[in-house]
This record gives sequence, C-alpha cells and structure tokens, in this order.
Amino acid sequence: GAGVSQSPSNKVTEKGKDVELRCDPISGHTALYWYRQSLGQGLEFLIYFQGNSAPDKSGLPSDRFSAERTGGSVSTLTIQRTQQEDSAVYLCASSLVGQGLYEQYFGPGTRLTVT
Amino acid sequence: AQSVTQPDIHITVSEGASLELRCNYSYGATPYLFWYVQSPGQGLQLLLKYFSGDTLVQGIKGFEAEFKRSQSSFNLRKPSVHWSDAAEYFCAVQEFNAGGTSYGKLTFGQGTILTVHP
Repeated sequence: GAGVSQSPSNKVTEKGKDVELRCDPISGHTALYWYRQSLGQGLEFLIYFQGNSAPDKSGLPSDRFSAERTGGSVSTLTIQRTQQEDSAVYLCASSLVGQGLYEQYFGPGTRLTVT
Repeated sequence: AQSVTQPDIHITVSEGASLELRCNYSYGATPYLFWYVQSPGQGLQLLLKYFSGDTLVQGIKGFEAEFKRSQSSFNLRKPSVHWSDAAEYFCAVQEFNAGGTSYGKLTFGQGTILTVHP
C-alpha cells in the first residue's frame, strides 16, 4: 500500500518568505509526527498529532513554526519569515496509534534550503 | 530527559566483514529502544526494536541488537555486511512523560554513517 508521502521533495526559498510543507500519512493512521534533520542538530522531534489535535508541540523551535492537521489525515507544517537556520530536511512519520509499541513509518522528507 | 549517544560518526568495513554499531542511552527506567536505517534521499526505516523480554532482538535484513542494562547499551550487529547496507544508522529511545505514558515521541542519536568497501 501507499506509504507516507511528503511534498514538495525540495524547496528553496528566500530568507523572510513563508513556506508550507505537506505530509500525507498512511491511511488510517491516527498519530502523526514531524521531525527535523539538520547537520548541526541531528534528528529532532517537532510536534505530535493525535487525530486533529496536537498534545505535544514542545519541539517547535519558535513561534514562526506552526502545524495543523485536518480530517485526521493531511498535515501542514508552516514556517513563517524563514531564516537560514531553518534549512534542514523535514520528516513526517505516522503510526496506527500514538503509542510506542506501534511502528512509526517515515516519509522521504522535504529538503528546505533558505537562501 | 532521555538521551542517546552514538560514539562513532563514520565506520568503514569491507564487504563480508562483521559489523557492530554502538549505541548508549540515558534513561532511568527500562527504555524502549530502536534502530533505524536511512539510505540517501530516503526516509527512515525501522530495523528492529526492544521493549522487554529477550535482550537479543532480531530485525530485518539480517541485523540484530543486544540490550545490556548494565552498560546502558543497545549495539547493532550484523555477521556479514553487504554493499547494500551502506547507509546512515540511527539509534533512538522512546520518551515517556512524567506520568509514565508515551505516545511514541523518539529521541535520536547523532547517527553513524556506514561505508562498505568491495
């Protein structure tokens, strides 16, 4: 079946612009996670959704970052007024339910470059 | 807070040789531990996981890992490496909140890049 998909695969933007990154989880998966992978910081958790609500937003690095999930499915991560330090690969993962016993399936990521 | 250390940034082995990738964790209780692999341009794929029970766990692609509580380690091993195993490997621990429940949030190590020589 279809896995987790993310779009775009690559995004180049100018400093100060807003960007939206999209994640389509596996159908039926109620839990959705966003992680960020950068050279300096490695892989970091950003936010967790259970259904359409986000019980844990503790990893969002600043108030320029926000995310939403609609219909218990697609999620969008928005970065406002992008900065060069936002350059990274943004990974989305989904799992059947938000419990550790269930495997997280990762998408291929969106590579964001801020110039 | 939980943390994961992968001491080796880069490892090079010859095809057919054995492999061991090191992982140390910091967590007070019995951790939930994972190894993921990431090929270039790809997302992360779960190799294996440990929750409880037998401390030697088998995974996909011929990998295994051993949980050693006394050493706070969860090292990944493979008896004979194939060229297709060249990738980056991440060890991760699952976080639990103060109430002892978890929704799957992972803390990752810095990763180990594996190069395989023919």
